[in-house]
Amino acid sequence: GQQLNQSPQSMFIQEGEDVSMNCTSSSIFNTWLWYKQDPGEGPVLLIALYKAGELTSNGRLTAQFGITRKDSFLNISASIPSDVGIYFCAGRDSSGSARQLTFGSGTQLTVLP
Amino acid sequence: DGGITQSPKYLFRKEGQNVTLSCEQNLNHDAMYWYRQDPGQGLRLIYYSQIVNDFQKGDIAEGYSVSREKKESFPLTVTSAQKNPTAFYLCASSIGRTNNEQFFGPGTRLTVL
Repeated sequence: GQQLNQSPQSMFIQEGEDVSMNCTSSSIFNTWLWYKQDPGEGPVLLIALYKAGELTSNGRLTAQFGITRKDSFLNISASIPSDVGIYFCAGRDSSGSARQLTFGSGTQLTVLP
Repeated sequence: DGGITQSPKYLFRKEGQNVTLSCEQNLNHDAMYWYRQDPGQGLRLIYYSQIVNDFQKGDIAEGYSVSREKKESFPLTVTSAQKNPTAFYLCASSIGRTNNEQFFGPGTRLTVL
């Protein structure tokens, strides 16, 4: 199946700092999604991207659909303690198969007071 | 409130027993999905269903079975043939096969003793 490389695997940051994480794929994607998962809970959809170059914000979160269509970025500005969790990227390749929503392995974010 | 419910939250079973995990949604979504999540890994697709009475295998279907008799319900049975069933199981739904935005339930943590 498709491979998504998500980095970094984990991050430790101070409260108030900005955060950046990214995902790269081995093939061209036509959709990128970003989710956040709290411990023991299901992932929550944060941002959906559908066009190359698209830049979308959701509060302090901003995500971009890479121009090459093989990558996406998520930025969190002015981090706060409740930002702690695992952030997953997910993408759908251009083949159009309904099942092909591939997930990255996640970025574990820890915010230090 | 509209949403996806999974029950139970925690489930313990003895090795060799079949167990069924419940997933219900009242979002009027056509498509439903089952994922497995292991520590430090992304989500892996077990089965998915785009319409009632139809479902397809995902990437790791061996040892699992599903049914889709009603639009709202998509139960997953973990059979004794699944060699390593202890995991966190997540159910998701989306409006339809052409919509990529999947919404997740709270998950069921299955522990096989």
